[in-house]
Amino acid sequence: LAKTTQPISMDSYEGQEVNITCSHNNIATNDYITWYQQFPSQGPRFIIQGYKTKVTNEVASLFIPADRKSSTLSLPRVSLSDTAVYYCLVGSPMDTGRRALTFGSGTRLQVQP
Amino acid sequence: KAGVTQTPRYLIKTRGQQVTLSCSPISGHRSVSWYQQTPGQGLQFLFEYFSETQRNKGNFPGRFSGRQFSNSRSEMNVSTLELGDSALYLCASSLAGSSSYEQYFGPGTRLTVT
Repeated sequence: LAKTTQPISMDSYEGQEVNITCSHNNIATNDYITWYQQFPSQGPRFIIQGYKTKVTNEVASLFIPADRKSSTLSLPRVSLSDTAVYYCLVGSPMDTGRRALTFGSGTRLQVQP
Repeated sequence: KAGVTQTPRYLIKTRGQQVTLSCSPISGHRSVSWYQQTPGQGLQFLFEYFSETQRNKGNFPGRFSGRQFSNSRSEMNVSTLELGDSALYLCASSLAGSSSYEQYFGPGTRLTVT
């Protein structure tokens, strides 16, 4: 999986929009960008996945520029329950030899009241 | 649909002992992966099983092994436990051949080695 770089931590307040950017300069043509969320003492939870431009679901949006060397996870109107670690992963899920998820250090988001 | 279940949830073992952890994937999921999470190393991939065959393996010593049964349930075994094996062991299942990296994780087994 391509190496990713994310901020170690971020702070926000309830109701604000949070944008977490991930750098992945050596992303391959077949690679997708995937984000996971993890709460303490729980397994990670899939948030969103995208290949290019913009993807939106009921939880978040993922913005990917044309060169795909970075991506931004956008969480609208965060609440205290969004306090968690967020991981950015890059890889090709259809490549059975690379289906192992490689988690980096992640971004620890702290939401304050 | 029931989620991924792992048993036991907590375990305390002594150095030198062995341990077996169990994982039941979501019904219909044939791929099961195991991960180790520690404060120092973060989340690390152990191995993946599909149709009772190990398809991928992470960089862990041979003391870590696993298997998958015909009903897709999986077990992992750690022999000759070391203090550094204390960790949260997570199991994840996914649909075979999926075009997504969406894996469903269980709650984990917290292993403490004393």
